[in-house]
Amino acid sequence: QVQLQESGPGLVKPSGTLSLTCAVSGGSISSSNWWSWVRQPPGKGLEWIGEIYHSGSTNYNPSLKSRVTISVDKSKNQFSLKLSSVTAADTAVYYCARVSRQNWFDPWGQGTLVTVSS
Amino acid sequence: DIQMTQSPSSLSASVGDRVTITCRASQGISNSLAWYQQKPGKAPKLLLYAASRLESGVPSRFSGSGSGTDYTLTISSLQPEDFATYYCQQYYSSYTFGQGTKLEIK
Repeated sequence: QVQLQESGPGLVKPSGTLSLTCAVSGGSISSSNWWSWVRQPPGKGLEWIGEIYHSGSTNYNPSLKSRVTISVDKSKNQFSLKLSSVTAADTAVYYCARVSRQNWFDPWGQGTLVTVSS
Repeated sequence: DIQMTQSPSSLSASVGDRVTITCRASQGISNSLAWYQQKPGKAPKLLLYAASRLESGVPSRFSGSGSGTDYTLTISSLQPEDFATYYCQQYYSSYTFGQGTKLEIK
């Protein structure tokens, strides 16, 4: 079955760029699915960040759109997130997830905590 | 943007209780609703989709209903492993999550 695994730095300085990668195993990123990023600040709820299709098409949360870039690397079967100009408010657990053909999220990666601090 | 409002935000119940969590959308979402369970330190787990369809492997004590703007998640007889936080998510237009309902042991 498909599994997802996030990776990247756990600490990012304010005004810097957060960069994460989600490796997909057990299936192809070129399948008929979108692939998403979702985040969860400590003790708070879930926020959708954006999604990408293997063609490179993307959709972003309007509240983050100016700072977000999601890209795909089909050769490595992975997709990536970049969030620029980060502040402490961007401190969160970041999850990657497959979007089903009917648009719910399953499965999810285990999540990775990114802290924004100097 | 479609806003999702869950209630209650927290709930105390006992093993064996029947509990209901509600989710209200700011506009009609045509049953384009999923429910997730999240335990501390873990990723959300899909429970139901299309408002009432049970994901494979999810116990039948979980059920969902609703239409238009109002939806419910019901757990018919709480088990110890059900104490967690539950989120609804609409996928009718982009994606939005409810703020979550924390289900605690009484």
